[in-house]
Amino acid sequence: QVQLLQSGGEVKEPGASVKLSCKASGYTFTQEAVHWLRQAPGQRPQWMAWINPGTGGSVVSQKFRGRFAISADISAATVFLDAATLMSEDTAVYYCAKEKGGRYDFWGQGSLVSVSS
Amino acid sequence: DIEMTQSPSTLSASVGDRVTITCRVGQSTSHFLAWYQQKPGKAPKLLISQASTLENGVPSRFSGRGSGTEFTLTITSLQPDDSATYYCQQYINYPFTFGPGTKVDIK
Repeated sequence: QVQLLQSGGEVKEPGASVKLSCKASGYTFTQEAVHWLRQAPGQRPQWMAWINPGTGGSVVSQKFRGRFAISADISAATVFLDAATLMSEDTAVYYCAKEKGGRYDFWGQGSLVSVSS
Repeated sequence: DIEMTQSPSTLSASVGDRVTITCRVGQSTSHFLAWYQQKPGKAPKLLISQASTLENGVPSRFSGRGSGTEFTLTITSLQPDDSATYYCQQYINYPFTFGPGTKVDIK
């Protein structure tokens, strides 16, 4: 069965960096795009970036370009999200999700990133 | 970005009631509209895609309708397990965007 297993929660100070991971299993990793979304407390999910592990093609939302980067390791069937210069507004649950024709049919369990001094 | 609105923002209904949630989109998304259910502390779960196609394993009491800019999610015969927040999502254009959510409570 399809599973996306995310790394654990993180507590960071403003200005720090964090790298989240999302290990995929149960499907052919190189044939499906994986996205990162985040959800601030009490808010709707917000799309951040996607990557096609098979081609290496990726897009980061204009809103997040510059501080966030997405990458993948095919040998480990893992997608990463790098976040730099964290701010308090980046406090959220970060989800990876497998795309099926534009919608998200499988999600990771979420990684809470808390940014506070 | 394509703007999404939902109504109502919250609703409270009894077990067995029929409830309808409306999602309005700022520009036509044809039928590229999905519905998700999210329970506290959990990831969203895909219920309906292509505006009206039920995902495998989703109870038949859930149904979706609409096209263009107005869509509905209906739950016939509300069950206790349906207590959750429901989101719509458009996937016709990047950035894919979600509605603000409708919280459904059981009386």
